Amino acid sequence: DSGVTQTPKHLITATGQRVTLRCSPRSGDLSVYWYQQSLDQGLQFLIQYYNGEERAKGNILERFSAQQFPDLHSELNLSSLELGDSALYFCASSAPGTPFGADTQYFGPGTRLTVL
Amino acid sequence: DAKTTQPPSMDCAEGRAANLPCNHSTISGNEYVYWYRQIHSQGPQYIIHGLKNNETNEMASLIITEDRKSSTLILPHATLRDTAVYYCIVRAIGYNFNKFYFGSGTKLNVKP
Repeated sequence: DSGVTQTPKHLITATGQRVTLRCSPRSGDLSVYWYQQSLDQGLQFLIQYYNGEERAKGNILERFSAQQFPDLHSELNLSSLELGDSALYFCASSAPGTPFGADTQYFGPGTRLTVL
Repeated sequence: DAKTTQPPSMDCAEGRAANLPCNHSTISGNEYVYWYRQIHSQGPQYIIHGLKNNETNEMASLIITEDRKSSTLILPHATLRDTAVYYCIVRAIGYNFNKFYFGSGTKLNVKP
């Protein structure tokens, strides 16, 4: 158990819909990262938040957005869902390291999203 | 931006050392090499990371060549539970500059 929790575990929805995935980082961790893993794309970094602020952006679609709240939990919002958005979505968290960014990420169990 | 190249799969006999190679020939000076593994569809698990020097922890050893263009992850005594996909990741470090490059991963099959 990494200490990172994600809800829900599974999500089934229809095309065009909007969903919210939730992540609670390990106690004391300030950074939250979101990743997408689909069968044909492997693990893709989406976005990182640090203490409530967006810190880095990866291959995140404009239909997707995220935020980190004052209690440090994070939500990933996926809208206008398409069949191709079906994937595993992982959240990871890390504590500040030295030098900045040289931190170990601990991954949650993931949310499996199925878009029908 | 540094990318990584890994063999798609490898076999290893149980109890033997597993040596997983990774090529990162375009790595730059401020980029770390990280290794993670993923068992089935579970969340990736951190194994080890390094910059220039070889590193060892309770799970594995990381050998980085002097020119830093390649590295090898060594699992000293592989068990069946080490069967997983192993990812070599090059990570650029810096404030507001945290990019991640995942390799395609190596599927390690540990056989009895």
